[in-house]
Amino acid sequence: DADVTQTPRNRITKTGKRIMLECSQTKGHDRMYWYRQDPGLGLRLIYYSFDVKDINKGEISDGYSVSRQAQAKFSLSLESAIPNQTALYFCATSAQGSSQYFGPGTRLTVT
Amino acid sequence: AQSVTQLDSQVPVFEEAPVELRCNYSSSVSVYLFWYVQYPNQGLQLLLKYLSGSTLVESINGFEAEFNKSQTSFHLRKPSVHISDTAEYFCAVSSGGSYIPTFGRGTSLIVHP
Repeated sequence: DADVTQTPRNRITKTGKRIMLECSQTKGHDRMYWYRQDPGLGLRLIYYSFDVKDINKGEISDGYSVSRQAQAKFSLSLESAIPNQTALYFCATSAQGSSQYFGPGTRLTVT
Repeated sequence: AQSVTQLDSQVPVFEEAPVELRCNYSSSVSVYLFWYVQYPNQGLQLLLKYLSGSTLVESINGFEAEFNKSQTSFHLRKPSVHISDTAEYFCAVSSGGSYIPTFGRGTSLIVHP
């Protein structure tokens, strides 16, 4: 089984809709992250969490919110999706100062 | 603040030729450095990392990178590439305190037969 799983893997939604992307991990890591990937822009950090009670904004948090339901679960929500949120979204986990483990990604299209 | 610059967005190369993917970083404190690889339609996987010790680090599939503090670089090299090395490569840096990594924009390595 994969260490980091993301659901759904693909999603098409309409402008204005609320959508939630979910992430689960079996690595036992305290740290979890959400990134978006756009062609030519690399990965940009949306939110990160160091433990269940710790949530922090990344460089592009506007229009997004997160919830850390448990050590192993970290979900990303788009309260009112807009077309420029069309992107590939990745969840990742890590221990402090160590390398990250990435999920397979969610391809989100907002029409 | 930390930042990463990957100097080439795309590197085309013929199979069995050597390749170098360049990465420069900026940070005012000691750093950890990483290279990740992303194969088509997949997530990122760690290729190699520098945390401390020897400045030359190697991966299991023939890549190596050298941490050069004076040049603030961490270039990735392979002496002979294969078709299967075609992928997107990301350099990342994390440093003091929270150790939140910052990623470069990626370099697309395209290996031609």
